[in-house]
Amino acid sequence: EVQLLESGGGLVQPGGSLRLSCAASGFTFHIYAMNWVRQAPGKGLEWVSATSGSGVSTYYADSVKGRFTISRDNSKNTLYLQMNSLRAEDTAIYYCAKARGGFDYWGLGTLVTVSS
Amino acid sequence: DIQMTQSPSTLSASVGDRVTITCRASQSINNWLAWYQQKSGEAPKLLISQASSLESGVPSRFSGGGSGTEFTLTISSLQPDDFATYYCQQYNSYSRTFGQGTKVEIK
Repeated sequence: EVQLLESGGGLVQPGGSLRLSCAASGFTFHIYAMNWVRQAPGKGLEWVSATSGSGVSTYYADSVKGRFTISRDNSKNTLYLQMNSLRAEDTAIYYCAKARGGFDYWGLGTLVTVSS
Repeated sequence: DIQMTQSPSTLSASVGDRVTITCRASQSINNWLAWYQQKSGEAPKLLISQASSLESGVPSRFSGGGSGTEFTLTISSLQPDDFATYYCQQYNSYSRTFGQGTKVEIK
């Protein structure tokens, strides 16, 4: 059974940093591209970042480019999102998602709140 | 970046109704389009990929169509479990943009 479990969310002040993790199980992790998607309170889905199976290729939404860094450790079946220079508008539930064309498996999400 | 526009934003319908949601891309995405269902407090669920390919376990009352820049999601006979928010997403480029969502409400 495929499982994705995010962790690392919490309350952080504007300008601060957080590192999210997504522990994956139930599939051959290194084969699949992985993504982060976020959803601000009461709003729609926003794609944030993607990484290829090897981790060599990475992609970012313009809204986070230069501030967020996606990475993966295939030996630990874990996806990461390092978030720096956080802003109030980064407040959202952050989901990790496995890509097979569309995103066929999602985690339950972790809440990031940026507030003073 | 490719922009995705859904219509309508909100749809009021009754159980048994046939409903259609439209998604338009700002440029051709071939058939690289997915549809998701999201219920309140839950993660999204993939319903359809490659514009018209139903995911395993998804009821056959859901269907997808279109190609290029215009796509549809149709629910042939709306069931109580279908009241939710639906999103389209393009995966023609690595910037995997979503539409803004369509909330299907009880009439």
